[in-house]
Formats: sequence, structure tokens, C-alpha cells
Amino acid sequence: SQTIHQWPATLVQPVGSPLSLECTVEGTSNPNLYWYRQAAGRGLQLLFYSVGIGQISSEVPQNLSASRPQDRQFILSSKKLLLSDSGFYLCAWSKSPGVYEQYFGPGTRLTVT
Amino acid sequence: GEDVEQSLFLSVREGDSSVINCTYTDSSSTYLYWYKQEPGAGLQLLTYIFSNMDMKQDQRLTVLLNKKDKHLSLRIADTQTGDSAIYFCAESSGGSYIPTFGRGTSLIVHP
Repeated sequence: SQTIHQWPATLVQPVGSPLSLECTVEGTSNPNLYWYRQAAGRGLQLLFYSVGIGQISSEVPQNLSASRPQDRQFILSSKKLLLSDSGFYLCAWSKSPGVYEQYFGPGTRLTVT
Repeated sequence: GEDVEQSLFLSVREGDSSVINCTYTDSSSTYLYWYKQEPGAGLQLLTYIFSNMDMKQDQRLTVLLNKKDKHLSLRIADTQTGDSAIYFCAESSGGSYIPTFGRGTSLIVHP
């Protein structure tokens, strides 16, 4: 069966510090991978998605970046965090191709102070 | 662009049925989904329906789709306190594998 992991689960970082969040998927190959941010308003904001190694599409211009160094690994990064980067970050995967239901990780709660 | 709308809150009594509604605008929507998010957790796929179906039932869950009105609903029979969560409606079309999510409906179940 497939599983998706995210770490860390919670993170408190000062403004201006770097960020690295990691997501890995097990039990499948060549998944589509996604990063979402969920702010206090609860809606999901798609940040990045990837259809393959090294292929990243950005949905929202900001100080975040994403990378996919391996087939089942997706990393969200920032060189300098802003207060507005606080939120709940969710990684998800979907089958490629097929019915595009998404499977979400447990999330990372990021607080920028 | 595509839009998915949901009411933000629903309060029901334990044992009653809950009906969570969703409307969408993309007439080319092919797949429609319901996700559940418990506090502090990721989203869990509950069920999905193809646009050529009008109903799908899975134990206590019933999904109804009115494609003409672009209206999707999720009915939870015999609602329990463990059903308290945020429920997200989402849709995707065959041309895009990226779903569009609603803002979520917070279901509150009280004794």
C-alpha cells in the first residue's frame, strides 16, 4: 500500500531564517506531487506541483521554491522566511495518469515568529 | 476560472443526517471528490464520483450529483461525534489533473 510522509510535523522559525520541508511517498512510482498551504481561512492554496523528477510548476509567485531530486521525494524550501509564510503545509500525491484523486500527508505546522 | 463553493458551517445533532452541499462552475468537470480533514491532520479522501453518475453510496455516505445544476452533496447518515471535521468538495476535469477545492464546510456534531 502507498504511504506519504512529511517532516517535521511542527516547526517554529524566526523571520529571515531558511526553511526545508520534506515529503516522501512509498509504494508507488512516478506520482504527481503537490505542495499546498492552508492558512487560517481553511482554504487550500496550491503552491507547486510536479509531474516528474526535476519538473516543477509554480502556481503562486513568492519566496518559496520546490525541488524534486528523486521520483518520490518533494522538498519545499525558502531562503528567508516571512511572517506571512506561517500556515499548515500539506504534501499530496496522485496517480499519473488516472483518476486524479489526491492522497495527503499529515502536514507540517509552520509558525514564523 | 473554475470555482467551487461551499457553506462554511453546518451544525447537527448526533444521530441525525448531515447534508453538505457544494456547487461548482466548470461544466467540463469529470471527477468530483469529497475529502475530510480532522483537526491538525491532512485531508483524507472519502469518496469520489464520475460526472456520468448521479449517485454513489458507500456505507453511511451518499453522494448526489446534479450535473445540470452543477450541484454536489454529501449525506452522512446517523451522524456521530467522530464525524466532526472539515469537509472539502473538489472537482477536476479530464484536461487537468489538478483539482479545484472549495473552502471547506466545518461540520459540528453536538449531543
